[in-house]
Amino acid sequence: GAGVSQSPRYKVAKRGQDVALRCDPISGHVSLFWYQQALGQGPEFLTYFQNEAQLDKSGLPSDRFFAERPEGSVSTLKIQRTQQEDSAVYLCASSLGTGGTEAFFGQGTRLTVV
Amino acid sequence: GQQLNQSPQSMFIQEGEDVSMNCTSSSIFNTWLWYKQDPGEGPVLLIALYKAGELTSNGRLTAQFGITRKDSFLNISASIPSDVGIYFCAGHDRGSTLGRLYFGRGTQLTVWP
Repeated sequence: GAGVSQSPRYKVAKRGQDVALRCDPISGHVSLFWYQQALGQGPEFLTYFQNEAQLDKSGLPSDRFFAERPEGSVSTLKIQRTQQEDSAVYLCASSLGTGGTEAFFGQGTRLTVV
Repeated sequence: GQQLNQSPQSMFIQEGEDVSMNCTSSSIFNTWLWYKQDPGEGPVLLIALYKAGELTSNGRLTAQFGITRKDSFLNISASIPSDVGIYFCAGHDRGSTLGRLYFGRGTQLTVWP
């Protein structure tokens, strides 16, 4: 596609439910990032993939968070046993090379845990 | 982790006025970027800066990479209503994950017609 596509745009989950958020990066982009954006804050790094390899997951807040990119294209961020503090916008970004500073962001998935 | 201080937190200006916002960090960055985020959308890259002292323009926007490599500013000249949104600075540290960005808390810009 022309840009980074994320789905769903909005997700409401009951506390304790598992959720899966999808990211379709720009075709051919090597680098893929997940960021978490709380209300009124800037995006915070979660994890980074270079093709299918997850090279940095230091930003994942707990072991309830898991991300994968098995074929080096589409990525899924999974949150198990959601908590209220997980409520945020989850942004996916991709970039062409491994330097990746000029990243293109998707519209994000707004997750609300009730 | 890296700390980015972005100011001001919000600005209310009249159409046609110039705007200036800045960002400082606790440590050195080798790249500074400025993004704009509209409600319900992801951040959109406005300007990227790669060298200390670099001054770059993109239409009515001008940004500079500070000499100390710990700061950057963004100027918007002759503001128009569509400039409304949240502006974020972001920095990249060469010692971090390739491409990982550290973001400021944003400057909310409101433009009155």
